[in-house]
Formats: sequence, structure tokens, C-alpha cells
Amino acid sequence: DGGITQSPKYLFRKEGQNVTLSCEQNLNHDAMYWYRQDPGQGLRLIYYSQIVNDFQKGDIAEGYSVSREKKESFPLTVTSAQKNPTAFYLCASSICGNSYEQYFGPGTRLTVT
Amino acid sequence: AQSVTQPDIHITVSEGASLELRCNYSYGATPYLFWYVQSPGQGLQLLLKYFSGDTLVQGIKGFEAEFKRSQSSFNLRKPSVHWSDAAEYFCAVYGQNFVFGPGTRLSVLP
Repeated sequence: DGGITQSPKYLFRKEGQNVTLSCEQNLNHDAMYWYRQDPGQGLRLIYYSQIVNDFQKGDIAEGYSVSREKKESFPLTVTSAQKNPTAFYLCASSICGNSYEQYFGPGTRLTVT
Repeated sequence: AQSVTQPDIHITVSEGASLELRCNYSYGATPYLFWYVQSPGQGLQLLLKYFSGDTLVQGIKGFEAEFKRSQSSFNLRKPSVHWSDAAEYFCAVYGQNFVFGPGTRLSVLP
């Protein structure tokens, strides 16, 4: 089955540690996205990538980093510089950068204490 | 700049009743419009989308939405709600980029 996988489902870290969230897709999509979701705030775009080895900052990129070494993979690192990292993180992909339909993974809930 | 508002944070309806979720957008031109649904702790699933043409669009799970340019609205409707429809619903707009509304949580009473 084609789709987007995110692992792990739940992630716990101590404050001050970097943590990397995985996102893999086998849809052969060019574009991939990371969103952060907080209660009552909808989704906010962290980073997106329209092609391998290229990515752009979204609305709330501070404290996050990404890489896009392979078309299928778009990992997100939440660094210790992120002031409030506890949130639900969603990865999405689309056929190309201008495709208007995004497919979402199941999400990773990160808790930092 | 584009924006999306969903005026209702939480709506409760009885099973079998009709449903309308409101969505208003702000964008200089006609945007592309979407409705997504999210079950607790899950990702988002696309319900329907509007790009152009007929302003009444049909989606999955018996949902439909109507684009009204004069009101800058794209309200989601369902004639008879099922208990399994309880979820969070997001309206989204693509103009210059993808922007999501804050969501409306739907509760369904038995």
C-alpha cells in the first residue's frame, strides 16, 4: 500500500536534547511538508521541500531543521533551541510543489519534559 | 495575505441531524479550497476540494461543500450525521501557499 509513515507514534525527550522525527513516503511524490499542530491553532507549516536537496522555511522554522537527501524521506529535527517543542507533528506530501492536494501521515506526538 | 477562519470551535449535533460547518477565507483571487477531517491522534484525510467549475462539490463519506464567492465562504454540509463523523474538521486554502483554519470539533450525540 502506498502512503506516508511517521515514526514513532509517541516520542518523549528531556529538555535540552535534540530529537529527530521520521517521515517516509512511497507515493513517489516530489514535495514534502512538516506541520506542527497545537490545540485550537490548526496546522502551522515548519518546513517544506519541493525537490531533493532543497527545502524552504515555513512560518515557524525557528528551532527546527530538516534534510532531504532522498525523495522518499524528509526527517525533521527538533533542536534544543525550540522553546516549546511539545506538540503533534504531521508530515505531508504532494505530487509536485504546485499540486494542491496534500496527503498526510498519521503524526508523531512529541512530549518534552 | 491569505487567511482562513472557522467561526465555530466546537459543534454538537444529534445523530441523524443535518450538519453545516462554516469556513470563510480571505484571498485576493479565487483560491483552491479544501476540507480535511482528523480523527483523534491521527493524520488528516481529504474530504473534498474545489478548484473551479460547479460551486457545489461532492466528497467522501456523504459530505458536500458549496463555494460562494460573494461571501468568501466554503461551508461543509452533510444531510444526516453518523456517530462516526465525530472528529475535527479543517478548512484549508491554497492561494500563494497552503493555509489551514483552526478547526471545528464535531461531537455527535446518540
